[in-house]
Amino acid sequence: KAGVTQTPRYLIKTRGQQVTLSCSPISGHRSVSWYQQTPGQGLQFLFEYFSETQRNKGNFPGRFSGRQFSNSRSEMNVSTLELGDSALYLCASSKRQGAKDTQYFGPGTRLTVL
Amino acid sequence: KNEVEQSPQNLTAQEGEFITINCSYSVGISALHWLQQHPGGGIVSLFMLSSGKKKHGRLIATINIQEKHSSLHITASHPRDSAVYICALQTDGNKLVFGAGTILRVKS
Repeated sequence: KAGVTQTPRYLIKTRGQQVTLSCSPISGHRSVSWYQQTPGQGLQFLFEYFSETQRNKGNFPGRFSGRQFSNSRSEMNVSTLELGDSALYLCASSKRQGAKDTQYFGPGTRLTVL
Repeated sequence: KNEVEQSPQNLTAQEGEFITINCSYSVGISALHWLQQHPGGGIVSLFMLSSGKKKHGRLIATINIQEKHSSLHITASHPRDSAVYICALQTDGNKLVFGAGTILRVKS
């Protein structure tokens, strides 16, 4: 079974631009969560989607948004990029929402904002 | 105060040593996850616990719900175990709240 895939793996943008990251979960998994990892703040929860609905949101500004499609693939978008948005963005998939399921992480997208 | 505290922050061990990483938390959880992250960023889920103890190969994870404490043990450590080990709390839905991580280096 293929694992969680994320595209692109690396991205360089400049301040003020916007970016879209993609996450394809493991087949059969309907929950996708997004996380941001920075050296200063560590890993932080961005949001969670299940059945095309946002179920949970972390403490990030409205510039961070996401969506999930009917095939469970998810995208996250960051508008008006700031230098501080440089980070590793990870997504994780699991079968169910709110259950005690293992979360499977993708390899991440490393975003650099210049 | 952080919801989840890990100790130690850094750990250096000799190959073959028994290693313990601790995680204490202060909120209600539905489950606790132990994760491993190697240089380059990839995260692997090691254990998901809601009670008791689990074992996988040389790794053992325990949780005491009443004391809000979990431990990850590595027996007969090996240089390939060198990685960052992260404790994460599953709180609301599938949301994870992460500890700061323990950087483990095992020397041969």
